[in-house]
Amino acid sequence: ELKVEQNPLFLSMQEGKNYTIYCNYSTTSDRLYWYRQDPGKSLESLFVLLSNGAVKQEGRLMASLDTKARLSTLHITAAVHDLSATYFCAVDISGNQFYFGTGTSLTVIP
Amino acid sequence: DAGITQSPRHKVTETGTPVTLRCHQTENHRYMYWYRQDPGHGLRLIHYSYGVKDTDKGEVSDGYSVSRSKTEDFLLTLESATSSQTSVYFCASTGLPAFNEQFFGPGTRLTVL
Repeated sequence: ELKVEQNPLFLSMQEGKNYTIYCNYSTTSDRLYWYRQDPGKSLESLFVLLSNGAVKQEGRLMASLDTKARLSTLHITAAVHDLSATYFCAVDISGNQFYFGTGTSLTVIP
Repeated sequence: DAGITQSPRHKVTETGTPVTLRCHQTENHRYMYWYRQDPGHGLRLIHYSYGVKDTDKGEVSDGYSVSRSKTEDFLLTLESATSSQTSVYFCASTGLPAFNEQFFGPGTRLTVL
């Protein structure tokens, strides 16, 4: 059974600080996705990582993928309140079967 | 953003009744997906479709069926709803290639009493 584990599950951080969310998965995959979900809303795609060593950045968020370690990270730089949301990683193992982590609920406090 | 709508957005039903949720997309995407979201589980794939009349099971397909008679519509049916199917249901779609970002609908909150 494929497992996708995120940690931490809950993260409270101060504005201006840096932090990293980790996503580990239990089977071979070259494709990993990050999504953001605001409370009561749908999911928004953040990053699509399609190969080992892939790194993508958008604003204060940077995602990377290490397929050998089966690990992806989502790094937050100088957090701002607008980044408060739940972040999900998802792994695709066959091109059309997606497995999501349980999510990391991020709260950025002033 | 991809144009994906879901209907209804909210539904309350009773155990044992049939329920159909509709997903409609205007992007001519080939692939469509149904997920359920429950606290502590993230999103779990119920069924997906890789073309008209082509569907397959996901991780949690028991108790659900799907149909896709047109590219733009993907229906999820609960033949006999149970309380364990109370959840938020999301539809998503993606074009070619399949390993691309998924665009999600707004979700349907289903309560089975």
